[in-house]
Amino acid sequence: AQSVAQPEDQVNVAEGNPLTVKCTYSVSGNPYLFWYVQYPNRGLQFLLKYITGDNLVKGSYGFEAEFNKSQTSFHLKKPSALVSDSALYFCAVRGEGTNFNKFYFGSGTKLNVKP
Amino acid sequence: DSGVTQTPKHLITATGQRVTLRCSPRSGDLSVYWYQQSLDQGLQFLIQYYNGEERAKGNILERFSAQQFPDLHSELNLSSLELGDSALYFCASGTELPTGELFFGEGSRLTVL
Repeated sequence: AQSVAQPEDQVNVAEGNPLTVKCTYSVSGNPYLFWYVQYPNRGLQFLLKYITGDNLVKGSYGFEAEFNKSQTSFHLKKPSALVSDSALYFCAVRGEGTNFNKFYFGSGTKLNVKP
Repeated sequence: DSGVTQTPKHLITATGQRVTLRCSPRSGDLSVYWYQQSLDQGLQFLIQYYNGEERAKGNILERFSAQQFPDLHSELNLSSLELGDSALYFCASGTELPTGELFFGEGSRLTVL
């Protein structure tokens, strides 16, 4: 069955330092992977996606994600964190087969960027 | 602005009551998804419609129902409300392209007292 896991409930990083938010996935075929960000009391905003091609995907607000097939991971990264990056981040994978119309979201990782 | 519109933004009601949440998808999107986000919980997929037809069903309670109308807007009906139904309800829309992402509305915050 397809799924994603976000092993960290919370990530703390100092402003200016690089950040990584982890995500691992489970699908039997080629994955369609997504990252979203949610600011307090707001809807989810699309950041980036991996469909095929380059393993390093660039997205909005300076974020990028690295797809690693051997490790079944799709970690979100940013070279230099901003306080304004503090938010809840969700990884998602599109379902396969009869579940193709479903998107499976991780439990979310709260990113705290301290000044 | 994602282009997905949800109303109302906030709703306070009592146990046992019934409410209707409304969603207008992005222009051109035929798919509408409904998600529930409770405190300390992630996103729970409820149901998906495509061009008026139900396409996928998730953990939607029997007390809940949804439909998508010919103009593609969707409504989520929640009845016999319980305290535990208090949550943020999100609507998202997307295309049928396998590579397409979802676009989320700002959500409807339901409080059941």
